[in-house]
Amino acid sequence: EAEVAQSPRYKITEKSQAVAFWCDPISGHATLYWYRQILGQGPELLVQFQDESVVDDSQLPKDRFSAERLKGVDSTLKIQPAELGDSAMYLCASSSTGYGYTFGSGTRLTVV
Amino acid sequence: SQQGEEDPQALSIQEGENATMNCSYKTSINNLQWYRQNSGRGLVHLILIRSNEREKHSGRLRVTLDTSKKSSSLLITASRAADTASYFCATDGTSGSRLTFGEGTQLTVNP
Repeated sequence: EAEVAQSPRYKITEKSQAVAFWCDPISGHATLYWYRQILGQGPELLVQFQDESVVDDSQLPKDRFSAERLKGVDSTLKIQPAELGDSAMYLCASSSTGYGYTFGSGTRLTVV
Repeated sequence: SQQGEEDPQALSIQEGENATMNCSYKTSINNLQWYRQNSGRGLVHLILIRSNEREKHSGRLRVTLDTSKKSSSLLITASRAADTASYFCATDGTSGSRLTFGEGTQLTVNP
């Protein structure tokens, strides 16, 4: 069964450092999402791509977060500089029709 | 911001019992989905119900949707210890394709 690949699985970084996460969606899925999930809460959308274009980044803290999907396939989410409050699970998902998202296993970020 | 609210926040039952989780939402939707998340893992899509549907089944799962009350329920019948996980409802609003999740229900099934 096709999967959404994410790396790294875990990341510990010091505050003020830069950190990057990578996501490879299911082949052929045009829509890619980055969600942030704080422990004990539901996921919240950070950014949505349709192919290489950003469709929704209204909840992305643009002063420190950036996301790109240059060739409309894999994507990178970057945080610079990281803050203590950024500690969370970062989840990538993809879909072909906009329904029934397939999620990756996520990257657990700890900022110390 | 969270669109859906799950109830209860936590549920503990014995194996073999049924588990019912509820979700309420605020705005009009195209569809409502339920996801499952094992601890520290990604979310797994369970079932999708469209706004013009009232009930849907998938294996041991039964989902109902009441658009007049803006609420949905997920029933897991004959629960197993392996069903232990967090369950989230998510809505796809009519104004756009963003999927918005609730806070989740933590289900514990005791063997």
